[in-house]
Amino acid sequence: ETGVTQSPTHLIKTRGQQVTLRCSSQSGHNTVSWYQQALGQGPQFIFQYYREEENGRGNFPPRFSGLQFPNYSSELNVNALELDDSALYLCASRTRGGSSYNEQFFGPGTRLTVL
Amino acid sequence: ELKVEQNPLFLSMQEGKNYTIYCNYSTTSDRLYWYRQDPGKSLESLFVLLSNGAVKQEGRLMASLDTKARLSTLHITAAVHDLSATYFCAVDHAGNNRKLIWGLGTSLAVNP
Repeated sequence: ETGVTQSPTHLIKTRGQQVTLRCSSQSGHNTVSWYQQALGQGPQFIFQYYREEENGRGNFPPRFSGLQFPNYSSELNVNALELDDSALYLCASRTRGGSSYNEQFFGPGTRLTVL
Repeated sequence: ELKVEQNPLFLSMQEGKNYTIYCNYSTTSDRLYWYRQDPGKSLESLFVLLSNGAVKQEGRLMASLDTKARLSTLHITAAVHDLSATYFCAVDHAGNNRKLIWGLGTSLAVNP
């Protein structure tokens, strides 16, 4: 069984640029959530995707957008990067519904630095 | 708005000692998670607590949930250096794990 994977592991961008982060969900999982974790903080929920549609969103501006593909992998896109976007971006996948308690499993994260 | 507060935020303790980390949350939820994070690493699931009175133990860590008090505790018994990490509690919001609200984390350092 393959766990959650993310790419790239590290990324450096400049203000105003755009970035795309990628996530492959764990085998058998159909729901993907994205979190932003600033240094020294707890993760902040960005949004969740289920069946290729956004299914819940946190307090992030529209320049944070995402996609989920038929194979349940996902992308996080951030436009017009700002310095405060520098953070660890975590992807988590889970199975929605059924008898499980829907535990989320996290990927290793992408460390984004905006200069 | 659901808020999650952890305390202490920083904890330095000696090996062999016991201590408790507290997690308070502001609105009703019957699902609480504890995660561990090592520096520069992702989040490792420790415990999922699903109902009032739930208690789970794994090695030197024991977690409990009191939904009436909106309180969860993570108790460390006879700490060892390998437990040094940041510990987060997270509370399920809007059911079905749709959105996890996280505490700020407790940075634990276990010293010889």
